[in-house]
Amino acid sequence: DARVTQTPRHKVTEMGQEVTMRCQPILGHNTVFWYRQTMMQGLELLAYFRNRAPLDDSGMPKDRFSAEMPDATLATLKIQPSEPRDSAVYFCASGLTPGTGSETQYFGPGTRLLVL
Amino acid sequence: GENVEQHPSTLSVQEGDSAVIKCTYSDSASNYFPWYKQELGKGPQLIIDIRSNVGEKKDQRIAVTLNKTAKHFSLHITETQPEDSAVYFCAASIGVTGGGNKLTFGTGTQLKVEL
Repeated sequence: DARVTQTPRHKVTEMGQEVTMRCQPILGHNTVFWYRQTMMQGLELLAYFRNRAPLDDSGMPKDRFSAEMPDATLATLKIQPSEPRDSAVYFCASGLTPGTGSETQYFGPGTRLLVL
Repeated sequence: GENVEQHPSTLSVQEGDSAVIKCTYSDSASNYFPWYKQELGKGPQLIIDIRSNVGEKKDQRIAVTLNKTAKHFSLHITETQPEDSAVYFCAASIGVTGGGNKLTFGTGTQLKVEL
């Protein structure tokens, strides 16, 4: 049963600390998305990659957030320094290139981040 | 950019009744409309989707309708069951012609199916 995995599932940290979230997309998927979910803003797209290259990161605060794909099986989202307003659930999703027969995005279980 | 509005924000129905959730979108170039179900503590899971060349799609108790002219689409759940209780999100995407498959999500509907 192929699924997106995310680690850690929960993270509590203090303001100013670096936070790294990891995602393993479904094997064979070439598109990876990072979303943030909060009660106030709902689901927001932060960034996405295709074939490991960043396509759009316009939703991401550039001064403190960075997203990378070191290889096809790992995507990372880093926050440095973290702030209390970054507290949210961060989801990774993966999928295939549109037009290949499937546009479905498959979501991971999320990383619940609390910044004190 | 695309803007998706979703109504209602909460919906309570009796078991066995039908539930309808409605969404509108702003960008006429959008051509892909998925619906996701999110249970507590989990990530959103796709339940049904529709493309702009189709007006209606059905999968067992779930159906989605699309009106491109009015730029709105709806989710219909018939014979609701307690396990249907969750938050439902609609989304819209411009797809390939827009350079990617970025999804813009609605604000979600909390569906509660009461016994």
